[in-house]
Amino acid sequence: EPEVTQTPSHQVTQMGQEVILRCVPISNHLYFYWYRQILGQKVEFLVSFYNNEISEKSEIFDDQFSVERPDGSNFTLKIRSTKLEDSAMYFCASIGPTVGIQETQYFGPGTRLLVL
Amino acid sequence: GQQLNQSPQSMFIQEGEDVSMNCTSSSIFNTWLWYKQDPGEGPVLLIALYKAGELTSNGRLTAQFGITRKDSFLNISASIPSDVGIYFCAGHLGSNTGKLIFGQGTTLQVKP
Repeated sequence: EPEVTQTPSHQVTQMGQEVILRCVPISNHLYFYWYRQILGQKVEFLVSFYNNEISEKSEIFDDQFSVERPDGSNFTLKIRSTKLEDSAMYFCASIGPTVGIQETQYFGPGTRLLVL
Repeated sequence: GQQLNQSPQSMFIQEGEDVSMNCTSSSIFNTWLWYKQDPGEGPVLLIALYKAGELTSNGRLTAQFGITRKDSFLNISASIPSDVGIYFCAGHLGSNTGKLIFGQGTTLQVKP
């Protein structure tokens, strides 16, 4: 069964450093998402991406965050200057080829980011 | 912003017991989804509900989309140790972006 994959599974970084989290969505999907889950809390929406542009973003997704689809398969989340509070599990998800109500999001296994 | 209130927050039950958890909201949702998350893993879809009043089963799991479209419940019958995990409800408001809003999760522990 097709699945969303994410790399790395774990990342430790120093505060102020840039990190790039990578995702490979399901191959025929066209809508891509990043969510964040701080330890012990609920999953929170960060950003949705369609047709090579951001379609919606949350208040969490400030200027330090950016997303990109650099080629036909990868979808990346970049945090320019990490803060301690960015420590969380980051999940990628995808839907496609439409975003109608019959479509459901499939999540990747996540990247655990720890900012020291 | 939109909120999903999920309860109970946690449950500790004996193997073989039935479990029920629910989510409510002040907003109307077009789709309700139930996910299970194991430690260190991503959410895995259990059941998707698309129509008000819809009752759907997946093995020992049964979920219903409330008639008002503001609530949903998930039942697990005859629980087994591998049911342990965190269960999340999630709702789709029908935006053209597909954004999901998640409940706070129900942590389920099953005693053999």
